[in-house]
Amino acid sequence: KAGVTQTPRYLIKTRGQQVTLSCSPISGHRSVSWYQQTPGQGLQFLFEYFSETQRNKGNFPGRFSGRQFSNSRSEMNVSTLELGDSALYLCASRTGTGDHEQFFGPGTRLTVL
Amino acid sequence: EDKVVQSPLSLVVHEGDTVTLNCSYEVTNFRSLLWYKQEKKAPTFLFMLTSSGIEKKSGRLSSILDKKELFSILNITATQTGDSAVYLCAVEDNAGNNRKLIWGLGTSLAVNP
Repeated sequence: KAGVTQTPRYLIKTRGQQVTLSCSPISGHRSVSWYQQTPGQGLQFLFEYFSETQRNKGNFPGRFSGRQFSNSRSEMNVSTLELGDSALYLCASRTGTGDHEQFFGPGTRLTVL
Repeated sequence: EDKVVQSPLSLVVHEGDTVTLNCSYEVTNFRSLLWYKQEKKAPTFLFMLTSSGIEKKSGRLSSILDKKELFSILNITATQTGDSAVYLCAVEDNAGNNRKLIWGLGTSLAVNP
């Protein structure tokens, strides 16, 4: 069974631009969560989607948004990029929101210049 | 504010040593505590703990939770160079209908031959 895939793997943007990251969960998994990982803050929860609905949300500004499609693939969008948005963005999938074990993708390394 | 604190932040040992990693937490609505291993990019699941005093074991790794003192430890015996990684602890917070994982910064373990 294929694992969680994320595209692109690396991205360089400039301040003020917007970016869209994509995540394809493991087949059969309906829950997708997004995380931001930085050296100083560690892993921080952004949001979780299940069956195309946002179920849980972290404490990030409205510039960070996401969506999930009927095939469970998810996208995350960050608008008006700031230097502090440079981070590794990880996506994780699980079968449902009640399951504890999440399977992480390799991440997208975003650099904002 | 809910938080998860891991210690030490980094550790260097020799092959064959035994290590103990600590994770303490202050989370209002505790649901579970999870340990992950992060080698290159994607964290991989190790253990989930929900009850105090019940040891979870997988090979040379074991973990236990103390819900009274609000901490967990992860033990690795007879360490090998392949154990070198960042070990992450996360606590699932179940506030109302908004469930999310709160992550520690991790313990970076280096096992030297």
